[in-house]
Amino acid sequence: GENVEQHPSTLSVQEGDSAVIKCTYSDSASNYFPWYKQELGKRPQLIIDIRSNVGEKKDQRIAVTLNKTAKHFSLHITETQPEDSAVYFCAANKGANSKLTFGKGITLSVRP
Amino acid sequence: DAGITQSPRHKVTETGTPVTLRCHQTENHRYMYWYRQDPGHGLRLIHYSYGVKDTDKGEVSDGYSVSRSKTEDFLLTLESATSSQTSVYFCAISEFQGENEKLFFGSGTQLSVL
Repeated sequence: GENVEQHPSTLSVQEGDSAVIKCTYSDSASNYFPWYKQELGKRPQLIIDIRSNVGEKKDQRIAVTLNKTAKHFSLHITETQPEDSAVYFCAANKGANSKLTFGKGITLSVRP
Repeated sequence: DAGITQSPRHKVTETGTPVTLRCHQTENHRYMYWYRQDPGHGLRLIHYSYGVKDTDKGEVSDGYSVSRSKTEDFLLTLESATSSQTSVYFCAISEFQGENEKLFFGSGTQLSVL
């Protein structure tokens, strides 16, 4: 089955700097890659997603890039703010009839 | 919150006792899921349902059973709770946008098995 890995497990950045969180996946048939954000004590929430026919997608300060050849995708956060501090989960699946496989999560800390 | 309610929000129980967690949704979603979240393991799928009386196992289903007798309710049962089942449990529903399955999670249930 699919294996999704996230590195590093923790990331600390200065407020205003950019943060990049990377994920790798194992199944070349995977074609959908969402990112979920979980603030402390809260539920995970979808923040952005990308399909394999698109190389990059942006939404205000966040963007996701996909490299199908290398089988990795990354979340980019620009101008980080304290409210960006959270656990970020990446996930992957092969389409509507397969289930999402989540990575273990990365804890992002934004230092004021 | 996609109309998802989990109950209870917190539960403390003893090893060997049965426990049932409830997930209730108000928007007639077909697909429902139960995940557990543990430090260092992320979100792991326990069971899921694609309709009334249609359920299937996820990657960590041992020790758990589920039932879905109505569209709106998806129950997770620990037949005989063990300390390894201490975790945060999240229910989720999915909405499809084309082929993209987007999950919406409930608020979670913190379960402690002593």
